[in-house]
Amino acid sequence: QSVLTQPPSASGTPGQRATISCSGSSSNIGGNVVNWYQQVPGTAPKLLLYNNNQRPSGVPDRFSGSKSGTSASLAISGLQSEDEADYYCAAWDDSLNVHVFGTGTKVTVL
Amino acid sequence: EVQLVESGGGLVQPGGSLRLSCAASGFTFSSYWMHWVRQAPGKGLEWIANINQDGSQKYYVASVKGRFTISRDNAKSTQYLQMNSLRGEDTAIYYCARGGVALGEHWGQGTLVTVSS
Repeated sequence: QSVLTQPPSASGTPGQRATISCSGSSSNIGGNVVNWYQQVPGTAPKLLLYNNNQRPSGVPDRFSGSKSGTSASLAISGLQSEDEADYYCAAWDDSLNVHVFGTGTKVTVL
Repeated sequence: EVQLVESGGGLVQPGGSLRLSCAASGFTFSSYWMHWVRQAPGKGLEWIANINQDGSQKYYVASVKGRFTISRDNAKSTQYLQMNSLRGEDTAIYYCARGGVALGEHWGQGTLVTVSS
């Protein structure tokens, strides 16, 4: 089972802001960077944010990230229909010596 | 263009073995950590193993340790995942992923492994 906890779902209407939380511990989020991934059903995941809040080339600035203590969050501003996907946080865990993913959050654009 | 192409998936009986391959192109393979990540049907992502640039460091999730072996051939720009003693709970899509700025800077399309009698 995952050691990073996310809400199972989030939603909003087009143009609204959606936020997703990711809760961990001192051995993972508390001491390491957090990355976020977007996965459209039926396709491979895509790196969305790295080093807590950095966007790879091509990722719109509507996506932003933050980290505080043992928690992190992803914000999507100006929701668009193409943002409907599953989102996962991830971090290295110093105690387990493994990368750990969050439980995943399904974002629905109403 | 970075490309990662997995192969070797299929149907295998419990207790059986499979070897997955991930052929890389479009970048200097020997310069990057490589990873395997899997996703069981309808479930979330699970990181299972990674290997450093020269193959001298390998890490595994507890559930596959002792059964799975990650390796790489830099001359062939290919990484492998040897899977032994397969169980039903190993049924998943297996993704090859490249490191870089982070785990999964690039991903393959995945290969399906089904463990069933």
